[in-house]
Amino acid sequence: NAGVTQTPKFQVLKTGQSMTLQCAQDMNHNSMYWYRQDPGMGLRLIYYSASEGTTDKGEVPNGYNVSRLNKREFSLRLESAAPSQTSVYFCASSAIRTGTEAFFGQGTRLTVV
Amino acid sequence: QQQVKQSPQSLIVQKGGISIINCAYENTAFDYFPWYQQFPGKGPALLIAIRPDVSEKKEGRFTISFNKSAKQFSLHIMDSQPGDSATYFCAASKRNRDDKIIFGKGTRLHILP
Repeated sequence: NAGVTQTPKFQVLKTGQSMTLQCAQDMNHNSMYWYRQDPGMGLRLIYYSASEGTTDKGEVPNGYNVSRLNKREFSLRLESAAPSQTSVYFCASSAIRTGTEAFFGQGTRLTVV
Repeated sequence: QQQVKQSPQSLIVQKGGISIINCAYENTAFDYFPWYQQFPGKGPALLIAIRPDVSEKKEGRFTISFNKSAKQFSLHIMDSQPGDSATYFCAASKRNRDDKIIFGKGTRLHILP
């Protein structure tokens, strides 16, 4: 039972570089999320996908793009990384329609220098 | 109206004591209130959840108290143990809707041995 798998676990980028964070879930969930977690700021929603083919902006979408490739996969792209994007990124999935829990990945610790 | 306000930001409790974390919400359409527990280096994981048709839910040493009229809910950890030291997030969502989960900003709990 893999649950939610994120890759990579750690990454260091130089300012201006681009990268894509990958997320896949094997629970047949409709909803998927990307959050960033910074000290004292809790979990801030970057983007959200209620179902395959749909995406919506969350609280802090600037500087990010997402793709819901299929029901399993939801990727987050940083086109031009900035030091302010240094954070821990979490992907999550849930079956909101049934009011069940959200399952989180292990996180990606990203440092932009 | 989409916010979930959580307090305190940090909490220190003696071993064997009661830890209490509070949350308040504004949107009366929320009808699912989970609590998540996060250990360092890990993603958050569901601890316990409640629906607004009950005022209390207990699972072992963890209890959620829910006050629908005040739009508040709280997590009580009885007989707190050092292993309970973690960050706790309250959250709210609407069942049966394609909508996002709203998280509080988290409480860092430390249990003194």
